[in-house]
Amino acid sequence: EVQLLESGGGLVQPGGSLRLSCAASGFTFSNHVMNWVRQAPGKGLEWVSSISASGLHTYYADSVRGRFTISRDNSKNTLDLQMSSLGADDTATYFCAKDYRGTVPDAFDLWGQGTTVIVS
Amino acid sequence: QSALTQPPSASGSPGQSVTISCTGTSSDVGSYTSVSWYQQHPGKAPKLMIYDVGQRPSGVPDRFSGSKSGNTAYLTVSGLQGEDEADYYCSSYAGGYTLVFGGGTKLSVL
Repeated sequence: EVQLLESGGGLVQPGGSLRLSCAASGFTFSNHVMNWVRQAPGKGLEWVSSISASGLHTYYADSVRGRFTISRDNSKNTLDLQMSSLGADDTATYFCAKDYRGTVPDAFDLWGQGTTVIVS
Repeated sequence: QSALTQPPSASGSPGQSVTISCTGTSSDVGSYTSVSWYQQHPGKAPKLMIYDVGQRPSGVPDRFSGSKSGNTAYLTVSGLQGEDEADYYCSSYAGGYTLVFGGGTKLSVL
């Protein structure tokens, strides 16, 4: 089955750290740009970070650059997001999303169910 | 990385058509064809409805169409159905390997 399954969310104190993971299955993971998108409670979608298909190139929104690190393991079909120096503004549901092409963050044709991070 | 501008709400009666706008700048919507639209029902993950301004993924009804003029993109939903009631978000590639979303539009089917 083609799917993305996030894990790792939870309650963390301000200033703390958390690592999110996303397990991919059913498609050739190593061919696609992968992304993290978040949604604060009652708010819209916010692009957080992307990583190239090879994993060599990473990109971040200004709001998280320097605090979050995206990585992937193409041998295990997993995507991670290491988050540090967390603040209340980082409280959100975090979605893992697959790009339908393998170049730039573009159109996300497969989404996970999301994992919730609460900073309090 | 400023969010694209969408109207907070839109509405229409069953069978009617409704168009949602998404306004960006010459640095995002105006410069790229990588404009997408997503549908999100409450408590669910977003679903890709339109990519590359006006292309539909397999399985998306042809009632959904997209277009672009200058710095503004549009999503039109024709023949409105109750199941179309949802939040809709646009997104655009913004250069420098970054992407920006719109603030979202809540579509109500009256």
